[in-house]
Amino acid sequence: QLQLQESGPGLVKPSETLSLTCTVSGGSISSSSYYWGWIRQPPGKGLEWIGSIYYSGSTYYNPSLKSRVTISVDTSKNQFSLKLSSVTAADTAVYYCARQLVVVAATIYWGQGTLVTVSS
Amino acid sequence: DIQMTQSPSSVSASVGDRVTITCRASQGISSWLAWYQQKPGKAPKLLIYAASSLQSGVPSRFSGSGSGTDFTLTISSLQPEDFATYYCQQANSFPQVTFGGGTKVEIK
Repeated sequence: QLQLQESGPGLVKPSETLSLTCTVSGGSISSSSYYWGWIRQPPGKGLEWIGSIYYSGSTYYNPSLKSRVTISVDTSKNQFSLKLSSVTAADTAVYYCARQLVVVAATIYWGQGTLVTVSS
Repeated sequence: DIQMTQSPSSVSASVGDRVTITCRASQGISSWLAWYQQKPGKAPKLLIYAASSLQSGVPSRFSGSGSGTDFTLTISSLQPEDFATYYCQQANSFPQVTFGGGTKVEIK
């Protein structure tokens, strides 16, 4: 059974960098069938795709966040990571890591999500 | 960027009702449209992909239709466990995706 688990600080100060890691268990991150993505949801609001990475390291970012986002993959640890720089209160959200299946162009598996609050 | 507009933003319905949610893309996306269900405090769950294909394990009362710019999600007979928020998601430039604003299905 595939599992994705987000980890990282739950509180980040304004102007600092938000860093999260997603650990994948029950399956290999090195598969040509999937992209690995980050999606966020501000409290009480809708879903926003942040970006995705292929096991080869190819990255795809939301144009509205591209200047602040870096997603990387560590196949040896079966993990991928998100860095979001220069955060503000508007970046407060539940952050989900997810596995996107290429053949159906949709997200099949999601992590449980982790709330990151931006506050001093 | 492709924008997705969902309507209505909320709907009140009773158990057994037929519920229809619509999603409109700002430009044609062929059939690259998925629907998700999200319950409070939980991650979204995939219901429909490729506009009309039912994800494994999803009850047959859920169905999707449409292509191009206009899509619908229909729940044929609303069940108590269906009260949730529903999102459409376009994937015309997958893995870059965009979600609709969501539709909350509430108990009448």
